[in-house]
Amino acid sequence: GENVEQHPSTLSVQEGDSAVIKCTYSDSASNYFPWYKQELGKRPQLIIDIRSNVGEKKDQRIAVTLNKTAKHFSLHITETQPEDSAVYFCAASRNGAGDKLIFGTGTRLQVFP
Amino acid sequence: DAGITQSPRHKVTETGTPVTLRCHQTENHRYMYWYRQDPGHGLRLIHYSYGVKDTDKGEVSDGYSVSRSKTEDFLLTLESATSSQTSVYFCAISESNPPAFFGQGTRLTVV
Repeated sequence: GENVEQHPSTLSVQEGDSAVIKCTYSDSASNYFPWYKQELGKRPQLIIDIRSNVGEKKDQRIAVTLNKTAKHFSLHITETQPEDSAVYFCAASRNGAGDKLIFGTGTRLQVFP
Repeated sequence: DAGITQSPRHKVTETGTPVTLRCHQTENHRYMYWYRQDPGHGLRLIHYSYGVKDTDKGEVSDGYSVSRSKTEDFLLTLESATSSQTSVYFCAISESNPPAFFGQGTRLTVV
């Protein structure tokens, strides 16, 4: 089955700097890769996703890149702000199937003012 | 926020007792999911539903059962609670795969 590894487990950056979180997946048939943000004590929220027919997707300060050959994808946050502090989860699935969605173990991002 | 409500929000129960968690949605979404969240494991799927009375197992379904008798309600039952089921449980909904909106979570402690 699918296995998703996420690194780093914790990441500290200064406000205004960029942050990058990386995930690798094992199932070459996976073709849908969402990212979720979870603030302390809150629910996870879908923030961006990418399908395997594109290599990059941007939404304001966040972007996701996908390398299908290497089976890894990354979340990039530019101009970080304190409100970006949260745990970020990557996930992967075949055909966007919710029942096959496998999550990474999460990255705790801390943005210091 | 999408109309999705979990109840109860917190529960402490004794080992061996049955427990039922409720997820209620007002969005009329087809798919509903139950996840558990534990440190070092991220989110793991317990059970999911793709319609009324249509449910299936996820990756960590042992010791859990579900029911969906109405579009808006998805119930998760721990048949005989064990300490290993102490966790935070999240319900999620989506109109099409995958899960897009999560409930606030239920913190369950089994003592």
